[in-house]
Amino acid sequence: GQSLEQPSEVTAVEGAIVQINCTYQTSGFYGLSWYQQHDGGAPTFLSYNALDGLEETGRFSSFLSRSDSYGYLLLQELQMKDSASYFCAVPRSNYQLIWGAGTKLIIKP
Amino acid sequence: GAGVSQSPSNKVTEKGKDVELRCDPISGHTALYWYRQSLGQGLEFLIYFQGNSAPDKSGLPSDRFSAERTGGSVSTLTIQRTQQEDSAVYLCASSRSGTQNTGELFFGEGSRLTVL
Repeated sequence: GQSLEQPSEVTAVEGAIVQINCTYQTSGFYGLSWYQQHDGGAPTFLSYNALDGLEETGRFSSFLSRSDSYGYLLLQELQMKDSASYFCAVPRSNYQLIWGAGTKLIIKP
Repeated sequence: GAGVSQSPSNKVTEKGKDVELRCDPISGHTALYWYRQSLGQGLEFLIYFQGNSAPDKSGLPSDRFSAERTGGSVSTLTIQRTQQEDSAVYLCASSRSGTQNTGELFFGEGSRLTVL
């Protein structure tokens, strides 16, 4: 089957760095996406890694290792507004994304 | 419009009633998706449209669920004879093309359905 595993909850301190891991098991692999969703809001796209390595976009970075079927989202200089759920997802086909269950990020002052 | 628009944002209905949820995708986006999200859970795929065709309806939970898309634009998700387990947020998303190349979908704010 196809599945993604990510921690259900992560806690960090404002101003710190936090890493949210995602391991996947899929037949055929195109890339790994990350989405952010605030409570009551819509998921919003953060990044997509098709190749191994680190992609940086401002305070957020995303990493992929295809050989390890593993990726992570790195958030630096945490702000209270970063409190949200973060989902990893992989395309199963040209139209369907398989989603992880989401990681709730709790940020303490 | 500038983004994906969904209506109604909230719907409370009685068990056994039919409901219609509407999605207006981003102009020019040929692909449209419906997902369901229960409280604190991940996203459950329901159906995908490419243009007006739905090549994959495998995610629809039962035959009480149906969806259509007209003019390659607006889509309607219909739930007949609603049950309490249908209570969830129904999310619509669109994309210019498929997900393989960019993994990016644009989501609406969702329609929160509560079945009493």
